[in-house]
Amino acid sequence: DTEVTQTPKHLVMGMTNKKSLKCEQHMGHRAMYWYKQKAKKPPELMFVYSYEKLSINESVPSRFSPECPNSSLLNLHLHALQPEDSALYLCASSQGLAGTDTQYFGPGTRLTVL
Amino acid sequence: DQQVKQNSPSLSVQEGRISILNCDYTNSMFDYFLWYKKYPAEGPTFLISISSIKDKNEDGRFTVFLNKSAKHLSLHIVPSQPGDSAVYFCAAKTGANNLFFGTGTRLTVIP
Repeated sequence: DTEVTQTPKHLVMGMTNKKSLKCEQHMGHRAMYWYKQKAKKPPELMFVYSYEKLSINESVPSRFSPECPNSSLLNLHLHALQPEDSALYLCASSQGLAGTDTQYFGPGTRLTVL
Repeated sequence: DQQVKQNSPSLSVQEGRISILNCDYTNSMFDYFLWYKKYPAEGPTFLISISSIKDKNEDGRFTVFLNKSAKHLSLHIVPSQPGDSAVYFCAAKTGANNLFFGTGTRLTVIP
């Protein structure tokens, strides 16, 4: 089983709203990731968690706040977003952070900020 | 600066023929390469990978070739099937687990 699930599938929010994206995997993976993908562009890394600790933050604005409550769950809390933050947000997981550890992706959450 | 490039945004191939998708990279520190397939409204699905110590890896209809001196990677699909129609991303990484993706090639397999 290589399934990563993400909820919700679609989210529309205003610039003053607070919302959260959720990601779950039950593969026993110890590394989890958030990526952002704009239309016709490749996915870009936002955050990496390893053993529930933040190990990489790719200079993401503080209006995006990740949280890893346990090894199976990864959340992305959103607050005061801008319309340019509208994108597909992808979660991924891998066994660890070794170079040969393949990342498996969820289906994504399509976010629209009005 | 795009470290992984896919210069062909689209490719059309007849069913049963070979599909060849190409990828170039600039960072000589990359040591692991992957191909992902992406359908609309879905996340990327892992297809096949290759370590920099190899020059070929095969899995069923999919073969990945790596030419380190040319910094070039290719994915061969033989025979191509209509279900293979999707966007294909190549990706590369160094020892850390930051994946750098190419911009993708849309493959259309014509029945």
